[in-house]
Amino acid sequence: EVRLVESGGGLIQPGRSLRLSCAASGFTFDEYGMHWVRQAPGKGLEWVSGISWKSRSIGYADSVKGRFTISRDNAKKSLDLQMNSLSTEDTAMYYCAKAHYGDYANAFDFWGQGTMVTVSS
Amino acid sequence: NLMLTQPRSVSGSPGKTVTISCTGSSGSIASNYVQWYQQRPGTVPTTIIYEDSHRPSGVPDRFSGSIDRSSNSASLTISGLKTEDEADYYCQSYDDSDHAVFGSGTKVTVL
Repeated sequence: EVRLVESGGGLIQPGRSLRLSCAASGFTFDEYGMHWVRQAPGKGLEWVSGISWKSRSIGYADSVKGRFTISRDNAKKSLDLQMNSLSTEDTAMYYCAKAHYGDYANAFDFWGQGTMVTVSS
Repeated sequence: NLMLTQPRSVSGSPGKTVTISCTGSSGSIASNYVQWYQQRPGTVPTTIIYEDSHRPSGVPDRFSGSIDRSSNSASLTISGLKTEDEADYYCQSYDDSDHAVFGSGTKVTVL
């Protein structure tokens, strides 16, 4: 059974940094692309970033480019998102999602339960 | 940049058929695959259609996806509507820079 478990969310002040992690199990992690997708309270889904199976291809939404960094450790079966210069507009539930293939630019086929990030002073 | 436009809401009676459209703002929606995700209230999104028309295992065949190149749009059709189908539905594709793009979501109400 595919499991994606996010951690690292919480309440953080504007301008500060936070690192999210996603622990994967139940599939061959190093064969699939991975994503972060967020959802602000009461709003729709917004793609944040994606990374291919060997980290050779990486993409970021314009809203986070230059502030967020996605990375993965295939040996540890983990996906991270380093978030810097956070603003109130980054307040959202952050989901880790598995891609359907090794590159990231394809369907999300499994989603984690999410970790909530609240940016507020 | 690609934008995907969905109706804010659709509704139907149990047993009926509803269709949700997803219209691309630029280029051809057929140039990249379209996916559909279901999000029931208070739950995590799940994939119900991938690569325009494929259903993951476990998704009922009441759900079907299609592409209409003439209108540059994708559609999700739910037939035999059930109360459990009440949810938000999002279409998703990629732009030419491999940035994932979601539609704004459609709320399906079963009357």
